[in-house]
Amino acid sequence: GNSVTQMEGPVTLSEEAFLTINCTYTATGYPSLFWYVQYPGEGLQLLLKATKADDKGSNKGFEATYRKETTSFHLEKGSVQVSDSAVYFCALREDNDMRFGAGTRLTVKP
Amino acid sequence: GAVVSQHPSRVICKSGTSVKIECRSLDFQATTMFWYRQFPKQSLMLMATSNEGSKATYEQGVEKDKFLINHASLTLSTLTVTSAHPEDSSFYICSARGRYGEQSEEKLFFGSGTQLSVL
Repeated sequence: GNSVTQMEGPVTLSEEAFLTINCTYTATGYPSLFWYVQYPGEGLQLLLKATKADDKGSNKGFEATYRKETTSFHLEKGSVQVSDSAVYFCALREDNDMRFGAGTRLTVKP
Repeated sequence: GAVVSQHPSRVICKSGTSVKIECRSLDFQATTMFWYRQFPKQSLMLMATSNEGSKATYEQGVEKDKFLINHASLTLSTLTVTSAHPEDSSFYICSARGRYGEQSEEKLFFGSGTQLSVL
């Protein structure tokens, strides 16, 4: 069946550091891929998405490219801020099947 | 890992009927549960947040009389779509927040979703 694996946290970085959160997936067909973010005390918010191979999703300085050859959708940001501290979830959806990664907690220190 | 059981996974109903979706945390206590809906290829949209024993907090634009949420215990929350219409057809997913096992921090765990089709 479909599944999503993302790197376990927690991840602690200093402000302006480079961020990568790895995400790989297993799917039988051609899923859409998402990154969601959960800020403290809030529900999930869509951060970015990609619906087909080689698509790049981007938002708020975050980027992720849909790599079919490596079945990956790694999240990157060139310079993190304290306000980026949150839990990040990688997810896929294929038809009626939606799967989430376990989440990666990011803490950015000033 | 922690398991959140969402049932049913798929339901087809006639317009005007009500449908209940259950979300259970099987091996941990969920202090908070979230309900989302998602249209094809779109993102999740938070509908409401519920805490055990208290009324759910609904997001702006979500009709609380149409989408009834009950969080009667620390392991069960239900979403009832009342008098369903075709425009309510969507993918509904729950998530539960709690501490699993020996973990000291609360984490978010997801159900597998329910595809609702209203004819």
